[in-house]
Amino acid sequence: ETGVTQSPTHLIKTRGQQVTLRCSSQSGHNTVSWYQQALGQGPQFIFQYYREEENGRGNFPPRFSGLQFPNYSSELNVNALELDDSALYLCASSSGGMAEAFFGQGTRLTVV
Amino acid sequence: DQQVKQNSPSLSVQEGRISILNCDYTNSMFDYFLWYKKYPAEGPTFLISISSIKDKNEDGRFTVFLNKSAKHLSLHIVPSQPGDSAVYFCAARGGAGNNRKLIWGLGTSLAVNP
Repeated sequence: ETGVTQSPTHLIKTRGQQVTLRCSSQSGHNTVSWYQQALGQGPQFIFQYYREEENGRGNFPPRFSGLQFPNYSSELNVNALELDDSALYLCASSSGGMAEAFFGQGTRLTVV
Repeated sequence: DQQVKQNSPSLSVQEGRISILNCDYTNSMFDYFLWYKKYPAEGPTFLISISSIKDKNEDGRFTVFLNKSAKHLSLHIVPSQPGDSAVYFCAARGGAGNNRKLIWGLGTSLAVNP
């Protein structure tokens, strides 16, 4: 059974740039959720994809967008990066109606 | 508006003793509650969960208790071990069908001292 993997593990970007983060979901899982975890905070829900369609979104602006591919892997894209976007970005995969979700190790994004 | 609250940012216990981590929630429509453990530089790891129709779930050293009338749940770790030192997150599931999401608390940092 393959776990959830995220790439890259660390990233430094300049304010105003764009970034793409990637996530491979666990084998057999068709749902991927993305979270932003700022320092000292719990994970904040960004959005969720189920079978290639977004089916839930948190309080994040439209410059946060995503994709899910037929193999259920996913991308998170952030445009016009701001300093406050610096955080750990977590991807979680689950199956269907989502009970337990399994997380990747996260991508640490630093915006300077 | 924090729908899931972990009011203790940190907790320190002695090895072998009981650790009790608490979580309160405001939304009575949450139907499932989960505890995750997180080590530094790693993603959260699922620990234990409980459905809203139950009041207790046990898995080895870990037991979760749910008090729906008080909108309160707790995680008990007995006996506590130094390897349990981590940040523990409480999460609640909201929404319906495939449009469900987890709402997270801010976490409690547990330190188990040898």
